[in-house]
Amino acid sequence: QPVLTQSSSASASLGSSVKLTCTLSSGHSYYIIAWHQQQPGKAPRYLMKLEGNGNYNTGSGVPDRFSGSSSGAARYLTISNVQSEDEAEYHCETWDSNTRVFGGGTRLTVL
Amino acid sequence: QIQLVQSGAEVKKPGASVKVSCKASGYTFSDYSIMWARQAPGQGLEWMGWMSVYSGATKYAQKLQGRVTLTADTSTTTAYMELRSLTSDDTALYFCARDKGVGPSIYWGQGTQITVSS
Repeated sequence: QPVLTQSSSASASLGSSVKLTCTLSSGHSYYIIAWHQQQPGKAPRYLMKLEGNGNYNTGSGVPDRFSGSSSGAARYLTISNVQSEDEAEYHCETWDSNTRVFGGGTRLTVL
Repeated sequence: QIQLVQSGAEVKKPGASVKVSCKASGYTFSDYSIMWARQAPGQGLEWMGWMSVYSGATKYAQKLQGRVTLTADTSTTTAYMELRSLTSDDTALYFCARDKGVGPSIYWGQGTQITVSS
């Protein structure tokens, strides 16, 4: 089973850009992942599906400030022109044989 | 529109059981599976298990094997997660999500807070 590793926290100034990382474990660098945004006490909101070649598809209503990219085993979520409402926890997810795996989540603080 | 509506928050004593419901609407219930995940305070999401509504097949996280049971009632388009022998470590926000085996979890329930306390 793959393991997903995320930094526990990140910060970004209002109007800046931030790049969050989700790293797949050795031997699983080709896996597709998804990014989700979660406000405290709320359900995760699906942001995008991101392939190993960097292709991504965003969910319905997701602002184009959110983009994805990949490099080797790393999967990135870039938020451009960060807004106050982007302060949230960001989770990456992957799947294999009817099993789901989640990263530990990154808490983004907007300064 | 596709919706998953979960039952309300519960407080349970250690050793008790809890059963959380997840009412689905807006799609053909038996065409998809349901997965369950939870989030303990200050922690990330933890996958608990998966159930094929069509076949009844299930798969559970190893650490919960023997304590969790997933079921579904196609007549009411409702999925259920039962967790037994509760401890304080089971205090968490529990989520259901529509699952098709592969691909991202796009549709989530609103979450159900389960608190285990004596």
